[in-house]
Amino acid sequence: DIQLTQSPSSLSASIGDRVTISCRTSQSVYTYLNWYQHKPGEAPKVLLYGSSNLQTGVPSRFSGSGSGTDFTLTISSLQPEDFATYYCQQSHSSLWTFGQGTKVEIK
Amino acid sequence: EVQLVESGGNLVKPGGSLRLSCAASGFTFNDAWMSWVRQAPGKGLEWVGRIKGKSVGETTDYAATVKGRFTISRDDSNSTLFLQMNSLKTEDTGVYYCTMEMGRWFDPWGQGTLVTVSS
Repeated sequence: DIQLTQSPSSLSASIGDRVTISCRTSQSVYTYLNWYQHKPGEAPKVLLYGSSNLQTGVPSRFSGSGSGTDFTLTISSLQPEDFATYYCQQSHSSLWTFGQGTKVEIK
Repeated sequence: EVQLVESGGNLVKPGGSLRLSCAASGFTFNDAWMSWVRQAPGKGLEWVGRIKGKSVGETTDYAATVKGRFTISRDDSNSTLFLQMNSLKTEDTGVYYCTMEMGRWFDPWGQGTLVTVSS
C-alpha cells in the first residue's frame, strides 16, 4: 500500500494566518492526490482534487500544489470556519489511502 | 440533490457480525463506484473498501485490515449499498461513512453510522 505522511500532525494558528500543510507519499502518485476537511460530527468534505483543482464551492483561499511524492495544502488567510482536521488521500493505486491528518487549532 | 444515508450501526461483541446499509438518492446508483471509509475514535480516516459499478461487473477491493472479514455488496434496484462485517474486533470500532468515488476522489459523503465492538 502507498503510505501518506502529513506534517505537522497539528498546528495552532490565528485568524488571518497563512497555513501550510505537507503530504508526502511513499511512492509517486503523479497528481492523484486529494485534500479533505473534516469537522467533528460532520461528513468529510473534498477541498481539492488532482493536487491543485479546487472543488466547486470551496473558497479560493484554499490552494494545493505538488506532484510525484510531495504535496502542499495552503490556506492563504485562515478563517474561523477553517478550524478542522485536514487529510490528504491518494487515488493512484487501486487501494486508496489517507494521511494521518493535520488538526488546525486556534492559537 | 445527491444524498447518502447510512444506518445499521450498533453495539456488538467481539467476534460478532453486523450489516451496515447506505441509502443513495439523487444520482444513477448502478453506475456509481461506492466506498466505505471509517474513523476510529481519536484516529484518522481509513478507506475500508469499494464496489465498482454495474458496467464493470460490480467487483470489489478491500483494505488489508478488513479483507476476508468484510464484504461490500449493492442492491441497484433499491439504490442501497451494504457492508457486511464479520469476525468483528475491538479495533473495528468507529464511525463508518458511505461515499461515492467521483472520478478519483470521494464526493459526496454520508453523515456516518457508529459501530461499537465491545464485550
